[in-house]
Amino acid sequence: DAGITQSPRHKVTETGTPVTLRCHQTENHRYMYWYRQDPGHGLRLIHYSYGVKDTDKGEVSDGYSVSRSKTEDFLLTLESATSSQTSVYFCAIKSSGDLETQYFGPGTRLLVL
Amino acid sequence: DAKTTQPPSMDCAEGRAANLPCNHSTISGNEYVYWYRQIHSQGPQYIIHGLKNNETNEMASLIITEDRKSSTLILPHATLRDTAVYYCIVRVSGGGADGLTFGKGTHLIIQP
Repeated sequence: DAGITQSPRHKVTETGTPVTLRCHQTENHRYMYWYRQDPGHGLRLIHYSYGVKDTDKGEVSDGYSVSRSKTEDFLLTLESATSSQTSVYFCAIKSSGDLETQYFGPGTRLLVL
Repeated sequence: DAKTTQPPSMDCAEGRAANLPCNHSTISGNEYVYWYRQIHSQGPQYIIHGLKNNETNEMASLIITEDRKSSTLILPHATLRDTAVYYCIVRVSGGGADGLTFGKGTHLIIQP
């Protein structure tokens, strides 16, 4: 599992509240990713990071921000949650030395009421 | 990245070999073929990847045609735990930072 944990694993929140999801890795990987998965859309990339304080947008970044102040932690923030952000969120790392091999965390189920 | 085409679903009997096809007719010379799977409610799991030679690991074998326009993932002795959605992804090598593009994959159902 490449030492990836996500917290919380489940969260219910109300529209308009801020939410932060945490991805933690223990193996010092440079690249980290946030995806969301919805029925009918598969996995879509939200943001990614290629080093401490180095991040970039993915396919569906609107409404999300990220931060990476330490190698091991990659945070995803919904500044003001909306019902359309109800989803399952997966964090991933890319293993160095392998060609594009990504390893995924267990996921966070977020329900925005 | 080249587009891939996979059947939406397949069945296989437990203990038999499961052969999952993938078409990638527009693949370019520096693009690898990757396979991932996602068991219900879990994160995707890397299975195997290859460029042009056939590859085998403890989970599966990957057969790539000589013209590289299609490939087959083989699970040699399928078990009920292999029921999952299998994704074929074609990706340029070179260590780029951006993420993977997942299609809809093939839902493989292993029948007892």
